[in-house]
Amino acid sequence: NAGVTQTPKFQVLKTGQSMTLQCAQDMNHEYMSWYRQDPGMGLRLIHYSVGAGITDQGEVPNGYNVSRSTTEDFPLRLLSAAPSQTSVYFCASSNPDYSGNTDTQYFGPGTRLTVL
Amino acid sequence: AQSVTQLDSQVPVFEEAPVELRCNYSSSVSVYLFWYVQYPNQGLQLLLKYLSGSTLVESINGFEAEFNKSQTSFHLRKPSVHISDTAEYFCAVTPRSFQKLVFGTGTRLLVSP
Repeated sequence: NAGVTQTPKFQVLKTGQSMTLQCAQDMNHEYMSWYRQDPGMGLRLIHYSVGAGITDQGEVPNGYNVSRSTTEDFPLRLLSAAPSQTSVYFCASSNPDYSGNTDTQYFGPGTRLTVL
Repeated sequence: AQSVTQLDSQVPVFEEAPVELRCNYSSSVSVYLFWYVQYPNQGLQLLLKYLSGSTLVESINGFEAEFNKSQTSFHLRKPSVHISDTAEYFCAVTPRSFQKLVFGTGTRLLVSP
């Protein structure tokens, strides 16, 4: 298994440009999430999905859109990039445990985004 | 809502010395607790987790953490660190019933010879 993969690894955008960060997992996980990592702030949840066709907002959703048309893919769209969105973005996936509760999340390698 | 506090942003230690990385959390509901490690320029990897049962949990590389409900803590310890343990360590909590990991701000462990 490749696990969780993310593309691209690095990206530079100009203010106002749009782009999509790709995330895919081959573990048949139901849950997928997007986080951003900023110095001194840890990781913060942007959006998450508990299954195909179902998404919800996390702690910092403004400026980002997501969709989940398949179990495997969970792309993150930046509609109009701003310098405040300069960050490292991580995708993660997991399955509920035998009781239906959340369990270990598996993280991708990250995408480092710079917005000029 | 849940929150996680990692008071130490950086912990310098010498090789073979013991180390403790502190984590305190707050939550009004039952939670699961995790420690993740991030090596330079890599993603996060699970180090250990507490879901239920024994309050002392161990990792395969010698780390351990103890869940203390009364003190709402989940401190990470290792009796003897190696240079290769140099990394950033994140404590995280999630409500048991749904999928929202809340991370602390991280502690950078710096192991020197």
